[in-house]
Amino acid sequence: GAGVSQSPSNKVTEKGKDVELRCDPISGHTALYWYRQSLGQGLEFLIYFQGNSAPDKSGLPSDRFSAERTGGSVSTLTIQRTQQEDSAVYLCASSLSQGIYGYTFGSGTRLTVV
Amino acid sequence: QQQVKQSPQSLIVQKGGISIINCAYENTAFDYFPWYQQFPGKGPALLIAIRPDVSEKKEGRFTISFNKSAKQFSLHIMDSQPGDSATYFCAASGFNYGQNFVFGPGTRLSVLP
Repeated sequence: GAGVSQSPSNKVTEKGKDVELRCDPISGHTALYWYRQSLGQGLEFLIYFQGNSAPDKSGLPSDRFSAERTGGSVSTLTIQRTQQEDSAVYLCASSLSQGIYGYTFGSGTRLTVV
Repeated sequence: QQQVKQSPQSLIVQKGGISIINCAYENTAFDYFPWYQQFPGKGPALLIAIRPDVSEKKEGRFTISFNKSAKQFSLHIMDSQPGDSATYFCAASGFNYGQNFVFGPGTRLSVLP
């Protein structure tokens, strides 16, 4: 597609439930990133995928968070046993290569845990 | 060393004025410095970027000034317009540093009509 597509755009879930957030990067972009943006805050790096290499998971805040990227394209971020502090906008970005050329971000998924 | 500092946190400018946002970094391995603009409900969008081999880059009303020795860079928005009202993030990355960008905390700019 023309841009990075994220779904759903909004998600309200009950505390303790699992959620899955989807990212469809720009076709041909080998690098894919997940960031978290809390209300009024900056961007917190979560995880990075580059081609078929092992992902950089160094930003994941806890073992409740995981992500996968299938076929080098679509990625899913999964949050298990959601907590209220997980409420944030989850942004996905992709880039042509190793990110040095700048990212293209999606519009994000706004997650609200009640 | 991985942190990027950004100031001010918020900025109010009259229409036609100059908006200036400053960033500073510590990691000398950084060699790519983009600025992102984010409107409410949207993801950040790349605005302008600079590499340390130049001291200034200008695109329309937007200019990045870069001071390698001070490890500082800034965004100048000339003739600021109400449509420029957004949150601006500076970022830094390096080919040999790692694969993800480090972002500043953001500056919320409001341009008054």
